Amino acid sequence: KNQVEQSPQSLIILEGKNCTLQCNYTVSPFSNLRWYKQDTGRGPVSLTIMTFSENTKSNGRYTATLDADTKQSSLHITASQLSDSASYICVVSGTDSWGKLQFGAGTQVVVTP
Amino acid sequence: GAVVSQHPSWVICKSGTSVKIECRSLDFQATTMFWYRQFPKQSLMLMATSNEGSKATYEQGVEKDKFLINHASLTLSTLTVTSAHPEDSSFYICSARAPRDHGEQFFGPGTRLTVL
Repeated sequence: KNQVEQSPQSLIILEGKNCTLQCNYTVSPFSNLRWYKQDTGRGPVSLTIMTFSENTKSNGRYTATLDADTKQSSLHITASQLSDSASYICVVSGTDSWGKLQFGAGTQVVVTP
Repeated sequence: GAVVSQHPSWVICKSGTSVKIECRSLDFQATTMFWYRQFPKQSLMLMATSNEGSKATYEQGVEKDKFLINHASLTLSTLTVTSAHPEDSSFYICSARAPRDHGEQFFGPGTRLTVL
């Protein structure tokens, strides 16, 4: 079973609107959680990274939250733009020394005019 | 910020030939690099972990004799797909772990491999 579950699988939003993506994980012990944006045919680009003690972190119009007690995270996109169309991947790292990452399946976001 | 490059960005080859993909960390030294494979509409799947100067550690189900990994320096790792077949067609992405930033991994832009 995947240790990182994302929802929804995909969503379509109108340009200018907000949306929130969800990530639940079971990775333990937990080190950090990252959100990546992956454009089609490109490698993932980091948006935010949060450790156990961080509850929220922003990067421009992207705001990530983390509840380490319930093992949930969200990524909020404000005032969406056409360039936000991409796959958003939640990635969780445990505390093993190899730095192995556990990937969610991603949420495919399509922003329409 | 940390930059990771891959070369080539795309390659088309005939079945049975070998293809080499390079991964370079441009502005930092990476003792550990990772190789991933991604099929359409799926997330990244770790193939192997590469440590400079030692043999790579392969994930279960990944053939080490088919996917040869060499990490000869702190800035370069290579993945060679030997005797490629159409089922090896995929998007291959490398990442390099930075010595700072919680050991964050920085991803390359990926290499699209198509085997005819």
